Amino acid sequence: ELKVEQNPLFLSMQEGKNYTIYCNYSTTSDRLYWYRQDPGKSLESLFVLLSNGAVKQEGRLMASLDTKARLSTLHITAAVHDLSATYFCAVDRTGNQFYFGTGTSLTVIP
Amino acid sequence: GAVVSQHPSWVICKSGTSVKIECRSLDFQATTMFWYRQFPKQSLMLMATSNEGSKATYEQGVEKDKFLINHASLTLSTLTVTSAHPEDSSFYICSARRGGSGRRHFGPGTRLTVT
Repeated sequence: ELKVEQNPLFLSMQEGKNYTIYCNYSTTSDRLYWYRQDPGKSLESLFVLLSNGAVKQEGRLMASLDTKARLSTLHITAAVHDLSATYFCAVDRTGNQFYFGTGTSLTVIP
Repeated sequence: GAVVSQHPSWVICKSGTSVKIECRSLDFQATTMFWYRQFPKQSLMLMATSNEGSKATYEQGVEKDKFLINHASLTLSTLTVTSAHPEDSSFYICSARRGGSGRRHFGPGTRLTVT
């Protein structure tokens, strides 16, 4: 079974600081997704990474994928309070195999 | 495009009753739909996968007689929680996929509370 682990599980950071969330997975993947979830809400799609070396950026968030290391990162630049949420990575394999990471709960402190 | 809706958005029911949750793909035909359950402060756990017109495939540990899934059309799947108990209280999220390799689109979720 594919395992997807995120690190850290909880993150409290000050506004203006930078930080990186890591997503490790145990076997090969076809696609890697990042989602944001606000309390009581469903998932908001942030990024989809399709190939080794892929990098995507949107605002203060940047995601990258290293398929050889089976690692994806979500980098936060100059955090603001609005980024407080839980972030999930998810690995998509051929067929119906789609596995969510453990999630990272981010709190940005003024 | 690619909007998925769920109904109801929240429901409270008494222990022992059944509750049905609907998942609809509003602007595309979903060949496959997925049902997830999420407990507070935890990740999403896949419960079952359903293809239109065929029986759902349940994940290990999910009781198929308790969580009835029907995927009667390419735009509608339903999850019925039968004889609900307080431990079934959770956030249920559906996902719909267009085609065999299309992206998954998530519904807004249904909050179920069993008293």
